[in-house]
Amino acid sequence: SAVISQKPSRDICQRGTSLTIQCQVDSQVTMMFWYRQQPGQSLTLIATANQGSEATYESGFVIDKFPISRPNLTFSTLTVSNMSPEDSSIYLCSVESQGLAPTEAFFGQGTRLTVV
Amino acid sequence: DAKTTQPPSMDCAEGRAANLPCNHSTISGNEYVYWYRQIHSQGPQYIIHGLKNNETNEMASLIITEDRKSSTLILPHATLRDTAVYYCIVRVSGGYQKVTFGTGTKLQVIP
Repeated sequence: SAVISQKPSRDICQRGTSLTIQCQVDSQVTMMFWYRQQPGQSLTLIATANQGSEATYESGFVIDKFPISRPNLTFSTLTVSNMSPEDSSIYLCSVESQGLAPTEAFFGQGTRLTVV
Repeated sequence: DAKTTQPPSMDCAEGRAANLPCNHSTISGNEYVYWYRQIHSQGPQYIIHGLKNNETNEMASLIITEDRKSSTLILPHATLRDTAVYYCIVRVSGGYQKVTFGTGTKLQVIP
């Protein structure tokens, strides 16, 4: 299993500002995933982060709005830039198990962002 | 688009079995069925997965139909702490395939 720590757990931010969310994993993983969960909705994948390369963004998400860093195999950050109230969501970091067994995904506890 | 369909909500009496259905009629031969749940204000938690055989662990049982087009997650003795949104997902194991979440089933366990 993998233990994922996200910081901050929650924040209230002013519109127009940016927030950087950190994700720390207790083991080395190849890929890390960032999800957004809007109020009352399911999870939507924002991007996949590989160590040492540019993140791969899903349709509807762009690097200028959600820049991602992946400096090593245990850490990643997601920045929500130039925030508006529509960015109020839970942002979740996820990794997948390594090895031969059927893949299992692990999630952090999420960052609850409120933009005012 | 999600590859699964689930009822949006279900109620279950505390102590009774909760049976959560999932349709995945377009599942491929190499795709597994996974179940996760998300308790309010927490990240999703893995419950169980299976390929074609029924599976059981300390949390739940997973029944997959012979044609693999549907499955049922069974919580044998639901407790109030099982109140959560349950997601059924189909995916290939390995290869870091993107996981697509559907809308899930909100299970409310009633005292």
